[in-house]
Amino acid sequence: DIQMTQSPSSLSASVGDRVTITCRASHSIASYLNWYQQKPGKAPKLLIYAASSLQSGVPSRFSGSGSGTDFTLTISSLLPEDFATYYCQQSYSNPRTFGQGTKVEIK
Amino acid sequence: QLQLQESGPGLVKPSETLSLTCTVSGASISSYTYYWDWIRQPPGKGLEWIGGIYYSGSTYDNPSLKSRVTISVDTSKNQFSLRLTSVTAADTAVYYCVTDYWSGHPYFDYWGQGTLVTVSS
Repeated sequence: DIQMTQSPSSLSASVGDRVTITCRASHSIASYLNWYQQKPGKAPKLLIYAASSLQSGVPSRFSGSGSGTDFTLTISSLLPEDFATYYCQQSYSNPRTFGQGTKVEIK
Repeated sequence: QLQLQESGPGLVKPSETLSLTCTVSGASISSYTYYWDWIRQPPGKGLEWIGGIYYSGSTYDNPSLKSRVTISVDTSKNQFSLRLTSVTAADTAVYYCVTDYWSGHPYFDYWGQGTLVTVSS
């Protein structure tokens, strides 16, 4: 199985901050990397697919980059509705695997 | 708009079988571009992919579940289902049915609201 490791596990940030979350795969996954946002009590929501493609309807303050084993999710200017947990997920091979999540909290 | 809705018992006894159904609306389950998957999330923990099925009946699942999983599809009802046998407390989780858009770079784009299944006597 391909292991996905996110860092940090949690972070505190203020509205307006630029936030970067990293995700590392245990093997090269080319650009088969997706990012999801999950709010408490809700299902995850797709933000980014294929490492850098913005899902329809997702604000442009979200962006993704990377390929191979190292990836990043960036929120350019944090808004109150962005406080949530973020997961990366590889779709390079089965079983599909997720990172452990990064919780973005209000400072 | 494609929508997914999970249904099934919220409480299952240890060693018994967990059975859930996902009803798809707004799209045909016979779509060429989707697999239909199950993902679960234990309370307070991360996401685990369980497996998926194509409308033709072709399936794939997570070996970590040690062949306890059966996923089936009923195209006449636009539904797909999950059976997980020999459950333990470790199977307590919110179970989501999701669409697996598999063309090009696969991703999970539509999610059901999730249903909590508790394994307890």
